[in-house]
Amino acid sequence: QLVLTQSPSASASLGASVKLTCTLSSGHSSYAIAWHQQQPEKGPRYLMKLNSDGSHSKGDGIPDRFSGSSSGAERYLTISSLQSEDEADYYCQTWGTGSYVVFGGGTKLTVL
Amino acid sequence: QVQLVESGGGVVQPGRSLRLSCAASGFTFSSYGMHWVRQAPGKGLEWVAVIWYDGSNKYYADSVKGRFTISRDNSKNTLYLQMNSLRAEDTAVYYCARGGQLVQNWGQGTLVTVSS
Repeated sequence: QLVLTQSPSASASLGASVKLTCTLSSGHSSYAIAWHQQQPEKGPRYLMKLNSDGSHSKGDGIPDRFSGSSSGAERYLTISSLQSEDEADYYCQTWGTGSYVVFGGGTKLTVL
Repeated sequence: QVQLVESGGGVVQPGRSLRLSCAASGFTFSSYGMHWVRQAPGKGLEWVAVIWYDGSNKYYADSVKGRFTISRDNSKNTLYLQMNSLRAEDTAVYYCARGGQLVQNWGQGTLVTVSS
């Protein structure tokens, strides 16, 4: 069964960097994912597509501070030079035959 | 730029029906798959349904299969979600989203409240 696992919460200081993790379930380590950001009281926003080899393509207007990387079944979103507006929920998403679209449970990022 | 504007949300009694619409602009609507995704209050994102660019294939989450129907009118650049036999657990903000396997654009959502 295709499942995406995310830590429920993360925190980092203003100006620092943070790395969020999304883990693909066993047997699905080759899957590409998408990262989405949802700021408080807003709709989600697409950040990037992240492939298993770590290559990624960002959505329009996404700052260079956002980057992606991969290692095995892990997919990472790194945000550098954290700003207050980065405080948000971050979701990973993928697609599987039979499962169709799957979302991770989301990580709530707090900027200290 | 890509714009997706949902409408049709509101308060509805359990067991009743509601139809959501999503008006698309800024891209060639007929070339893209489209999704409905929902978010219950205080919860994460839950995928609801997808429709192929030409309407030839439709897939649903188990939680809505048999009750909800996704459709589109490419001549009107509009996506629909017909929701029947609504339950309290269908209460959520419903988002229209563009994409094939991966969602790449989102609307702002429309709130559906199922309550007596």
